[in-house]
Amino acid sequence: NAGVTQTPKFQVLKTGQSMTLQCAQDMNHEYMSWYRQDPGMGLRLIHYSVGAGITDQGEVPNGYNVSRSTTEDFPLRLLSAAPSQTSVYFCASGRGEETGELFFGEGSRLTVL
Amino acid sequence: AQSVAQPEDQVNVAEGNPLTVKCTYSVSGNPYLFWYVQYPNRGLQFLLKYITGDNLVKGSYGFEAEFNKSQTSFHLKKPSALVSDSALYFCAVRDRTGGSYIPTFGRGTSLIVHP
Repeated sequence: NAGVTQTPKFQVLKTGQSMTLQCAQDMNHEYMSWYRQDPGMGLRLIHYSVGAGITDQGEVPNGYNVSRSTTEDFPLRLLSAAPSQTSVYFCASGRGEETGELFFGEGSRLTVL
Repeated sequence: AQSVAQPEDQVNVAEGNPLTVKCTYSVSGNPYLFWYVQYPNRGLQFLLKYITGDNLVKGSYGFEAEFNKSQTSFHLKKPSALVSDSALYFCAVRDRTGGSYIPTFGRGTSLIVHP
């Protein structure tokens, strides 16, 4: 079972470069989200989607863009990378039920120089 | 508004001893509560959840958690810790009222089990 697949696992960028972190799930989940994890900060929600064509901002959306053209895919775009965006990024999906748990990808470690 | 607190950044326990990782929450209504575990360089994995009913919830890998409404707590427990339990543990909450699907996560507690 693939579950939630994130690519790439590691990436190094220079300040000002742009890139896309890919996230795909094969569980037909309505809900998908992106988090960043930083030491001492826990998980912070960047953007989320409750279905194809619907996205919304989370706690820390600045500098990031998302789209949801299909149920399966939820890419996260860094428009102009900054050192403050050095972090580990996690994609998570869920059935869209309040009682349901989230399923996480393995993470993408991004370093911005 | 919903929030969750994990008051301990780190918990140390000897192998074979019982362990407790603490979590308290705040919601305007009644909560749905979750525990997740993160092993090094991995994503979070679901451990257990409280939805309704019995206050003692059993989950994966021998873990259990006790929901205490009066103390607004949902502490994670295991009777006998293993070295392999060493990981980062996250508590999460959703408020049943208000209609938001988005969970709020605690900052995480690092559990270290010493041989």
